[in-house]
Amino acid sequence: EIVLTQSPATLSLSPGERATLSCRASHRIGSYLAWYQQKPGQAPRLLIYEASNRATGIPARFSGSGSGTDFTLTISRLEPEDFAVYYCQQRSDWPSVTFGGGTKVEVK
Amino acid sequence: QVQLQESGPGLLKPSETLSLTCSVSGASISNYYWSWIRQSPGKGLEWIAYIYSSGTTNYNPSLKSRVTISMDTSKNQLSLKLSSVTAADTAVYYCTRDRSLYFDLWGRGTLVTVSS
Repeated sequence: EIVLTQSPATLSLSPGERATLSCRASHRIGSYLAWYQQKPGQAPRLLIYEASNRATGIPARFSGSGSGTDFTLTISRLEPEDFAVYYCQQRSDWPSVTFGGGTKVEVK
Repeated sequence: QVQLQESGPGLLKPSETLSLTCSVSGASISNYYWSWIRQSPGKGLEWIAYIYSSGTTNYNPSLKSRVTISMDTSKNQLSLKLSSVTAADTAVYYCTRDRSLYFDLWGRGTLVTVSS
């Protein structure tokens, strides 16, 4: 099973700052990585698919990069609504799916 | 606008069978993959199973012996059954549209608690 490790577990930042979230895979997964945002009481929402493609309706301040084993989600300037938990997910070894443990972006 | 709505019992006793339904509106469930995913504090997000409109299914090996996924195209609904539940099956269960590499639409989820 491919394990996804997200870091840091918690990121404390202020609105307007840049957020950089990391996701590391235990084996190479090409570009088969997605990122989700989850707010309390809500379902995860797809942000990025295939490492760098923004999903429909996702603002340009969200960007994804990486391939192989190391991936990054960047939020260029944090808006108040961006404080949430972020998960990465892979499916390179179809049909198995794994998710990372999440990074919480909180207000400093 | 495509919407997914899960429904289920909420509370179950150990050893009972969990039955969930996902009603899809705004799009036909035909020609798509659909997956169930659950989320618990202890295990995080866990993929359970998928089904394609042809009837093709696949299950998480860790749950395969207890899970059945099905669909009713006439009702535009998906279903999930999980037998012999224990406290470890307590989670929020989500119905999702499965785009093979990622999940682009999610229902709001339904909380299932297993307790005697």
